[in-house]
Amino acid sequence: QVQLEESGGGVVQPGGSLRLSCAASGFSFSDSAMYWVRQAPDKGLEWVAVISYDGRNKYHADSVKGRFTISRDNAKNTLYLQMNSLRDDDTSVYHCVRDGSGGHTPSYYFDSWGQGTLVTVSS
Amino acid sequence: IVMTQSPGPLSVSPGERATLSCRASQSVSANLAWYQQKPGHTPKLLIYGASTRATGIPARFSGSGSGTEFTLTITSLQSEDFAVYYCQQYLKWPLTFGGGTKVEIK
Repeated sequence: QVQLEESGGGVVQPGGSLRLSCAASGFSFSDSAMYWVRQAPDKGLEWVAVISYDGRNKYHADSVKGRFTISRDNAKNTLYLQMNSLRDDDTSVYHCVRDGSGGHTPSYYFDSWGQGTLVTVSS
Repeated sequence: IVMTQSPGPLSVSPGERATLSCRASQSVSANLAWYQQKPGHTPKLLIYGASTRATGIPARFSGSGSGTEFTLTITSLQSEDFAVYYCQQYLKWPLTFGGGTKVEIK
């Protein structure tokens, strides 16, 4: 079955950096677009970034553009999120999410979610 | 595109029907998905394409609508259906979610 396991979260001061990782298994990772979606404590869902199956195309939400970068290593079945210049309002659980299409053409909805890793930005 | 969900929250007795609404600030055609999230769990895809049930989703869940107005209907609510439900549009960037509707036990 699909497994997505995030790591790399923690407590960081404003202005600091973190790199999140997501180890994928149980499906053909190299064929799927992937996303990061975050959820602040007791809040709703916010899409953060998407990357195409081959890593050539990436889009980031305006709220993180220029600070966060999504990437992937298909040889390692791993998705990444490099987070720089972190702010208080970046505090959230960050979920690694698989695209719903299962193929190279993304659907842009989400069919499998990791449990997430908590990022807390605080001085 | 701003997604607005109503009502919030929704109190329903087990066995009754729940009707949840989602409105888009501009047309998203049928590019609309619904998710269920239980406390301490990740969101679960219920519906995509506004009305297509995802794999393994019971028939008591149905979606309808197109353009700017969408509805998720849960007939005969079961105990495991009490949760928060989110809609999401995927026509345009950025992908956006509604604020969620909590379905609670009456």
